[in-house]
Amino acid sequence: DAGITQSPRHKVTETGTPVTLRCHQTENHRYMYWYRQDPGHGLRLIHYSYGVKDTDKGEVSDGYSVSRSKTEDFLLTLESATSSQTSVYFCATTGTGLGPDTQYFGPGTRLTVL
Amino acid sequence: GDSVTQMEGPVTLSEEAFLTINCTYTATGYPSLFWYVQYPGEGLQLLLKATKADDKGSNKGFEATYRKETTSFHLEKGSVQVSDSAVYFCALSPDDMRFGAGTRLTVKP
Repeated sequence: DAGITQSPRHKVTETGTPVTLRCHQTENHRYMYWYRQDPGHGLRLIHYSYGVKDTDKGEVSDGYSVSRSKTEDFLLTLESATSSQTSVYFCATTGTGLGPDTQYFGPGTRLTVL
Repeated sequence: GDSVTQMEGPVTLSEEAFLTINCTYTATGYPSLFWYVQYPGEGLQLLLKATKADDKGSNKGFEATYRKETTSFHLEKGSVQVSDSAVYFCALSPDDMRFGAGTRLTVKP
């Protein structure tokens, strides 16, 4: 398995507070992704990165920002958390030439916004 | 845009029963199709894939055939085990990955 960790694994926060989730990989993969998983919706892409300092929006990017200052770390920030952002967040990575299907997923972060 | 629709669950089967989970897709081009599996408390893992029409993906006794004429990619297994209990996601990828809503399978001894 690819070495992908996410922190924290669980977080409870209040509406209006900033939250940052971290994804760390040890595979030197170029591509990194943030998804959210909600009942009835499967996984939806929030943002992705195709290299250091190179990021782009996914399907559900409103209310989220990302940063990638190092190959191994991809941060997801909720500037002002809302209850609609209560979800399970998954990070995934893939290497150059492997294609989007060869994504390795982290264990997930369960975020609850009260 | 491109999307997949999969049968709603949950699905509950007895051990050794036959499994089918339906998946249909909508796409403007010729995407690759995938089935992912998520075991409790874990991230998703690629189960199988097919990259063109009539391809059959298979892994761990699971199979799915890319049917262009019916725009389908149904997941099948002839004899399920308790260890197959998980959530199964159909997905397609023209570029970025698009996932279905997931189908929870519970297999009882």
